[in-house]
Amino acid sequence: QSVLTQPPSASGTPGQRVTISCSGSTSSIGRNTVDWFQHLPGTAPKLLIYNNIQRPSGVPDRFSGSKSGTSASLAISGLQSEDEADYYCAAWDDSLKGWVFGGGTKLTVL
Amino acid sequence: QVQLQQSGPGLVKPSQTLSLTCAISGDTVSSNSAAWNWIRQSPSRGLEWLGRTYYRSKWYNDYAVSVKSRITINPDTSANQFSLQLNSVTPEDTAVYYCARGLAGTMDVWGQGTTVTVSS
Repeated sequence: QSVLTQPPSASGTPGQRVTISCSGSTSSIGRNTVDWFQHLPGTAPKLLIYNNIQRPSGVPDRFSGSKSGTSASLAISGLQSEDEADYYCAAWDDSLKGWVFGGGTKLTVL
Repeated sequence: QVQLQQSGPGLVKPSQTLSLTCAISGDTVSSNSAAWNWIRQSPSRGLEWLGRTYYRSKWYNDYAVSVKSRITINPDTSANQFSLQLNSVTPEDTAVYYCARGLAGTMDVWGQGTTVTVSS
């Protein structure tokens, strides 16, 4: 069971906006920043959002992140078929003294 | 541009030691601002952080509680790489293993992944 909690699945149609939630604790999300990764089968996870809201160079602005208290969210607007992937949240946990991940959300573009 | 290139066997026998290496280009393992991580992914456990090594005037290691008794992560400054050793493996350690650079509070660059199967 993952330390951070994500819904196992999400879906939307092309052009729609979808959000994926990530729930943690005081020692993880409550005290530290949240990252989001996009993972396609057979490839390495790709950093999508860091420091809660920042996008690395090359990541479209359709992807946005937010954080409030011990929860965070990833929003994808203008959904495209190429967005179909697994999405993971991650944060440092001060109590566990290590990185913790969510269980992943499989996004399906209908 | 920073790149991480992983190497190591894809098949390990139960009770033996899993050994992987991550070669760094575009950065140095002894950087005072980076940390060098190992993460694995399996269908049963999802993404699981295993540990890291980093240099801040001296070398430090942090390990996940779940593997702390079995894991060693070592830097190799002469080859600019770092390694993972996981002892006494069982089929539960079958996973895709990734190395990743930690920088400014995130893991921004990842290796290509190595599928490791524990089987006799």
